[in-house]
Amino acid sequence: TQLLEQSPQFLSIQEGENLTVYCNSSSVFSSLQWYRQEPGEGPVLLVTVVTGGEVKKLKRLTFQFGDARKDSSLHITAAQPGDTGLYLCAETTSGTYKYIFGTGTRLKVLA
Amino acid sequence: DAGITQSPRHKVTETGTPVTLRCHQTENHRYMYWYRQDPGHGLRLIHYSYGVKDTDKGEVSDGYSVSRSKTEDFLLTLESATSSQTSVYFCASTGTQNTEAFFGQGTRLTVV
Repeated sequence: TQLLEQSPQFLSIQEGENLTVYCNSSSVFSSLQWYRQEPGEGPVLLVTVVTGGEVKKLKRLTFQFGDARKDSSLHITAAQPGDTGLYLCAETTSGTYKYIFGTGTRLKVLA
Repeated sequence: DAGITQSPRHKVTETGTPVTLRCHQTENHRYMYWYRQDPGHGLRLIHYSYGVKDTDKGEVSDGYSVSRSKTEDFLLTLESATSSQTSVYFCASTGTQNTEAFFGQGTRLTVV
């Protein structure tokens, strides 16, 4: 079974700081997605990365897919309180249509 | 946003009783999923469906069963609820392009 480990598990930072969270796999990803979940809501897709070495930017968020497609990172520049939430990585297993989620990073940005 | 709703949103039940959670989607999505969310575990897949009457187990399926008699509905049943099944349950769906999982708002289940 694919295992997705995310680190850190918790992160509390001040507004304006930068941060990076990580997602690592025990095997090669076919593709990888990042979701954000706010309290009382379901997760919402932020981005999908497919190609090894790929970098995608979404405003202050930068997503990177490792060259070997076994890891990914999410970097937030100048964090804001609105970035507070649970960040989840997910893999869609090729051929099975299962979405396997990571353990999550809970981010709190203090004003 | 995809139209996916879960019911009930909250439920308290006693140990040993059966419980059914309902997921309804209006997007004609082929694939549907049930997850549970617990602190430190992210989202863990319970069961999923790849079409009407076609279902398969996920990583934490013991004690759960599912049914999908119509494209739009996916039911999760706890046959005899235990305290370890206290959790927040999320339903999700995706279409044949499989580009994004759309989630419901979750059901908070407490087994006492």
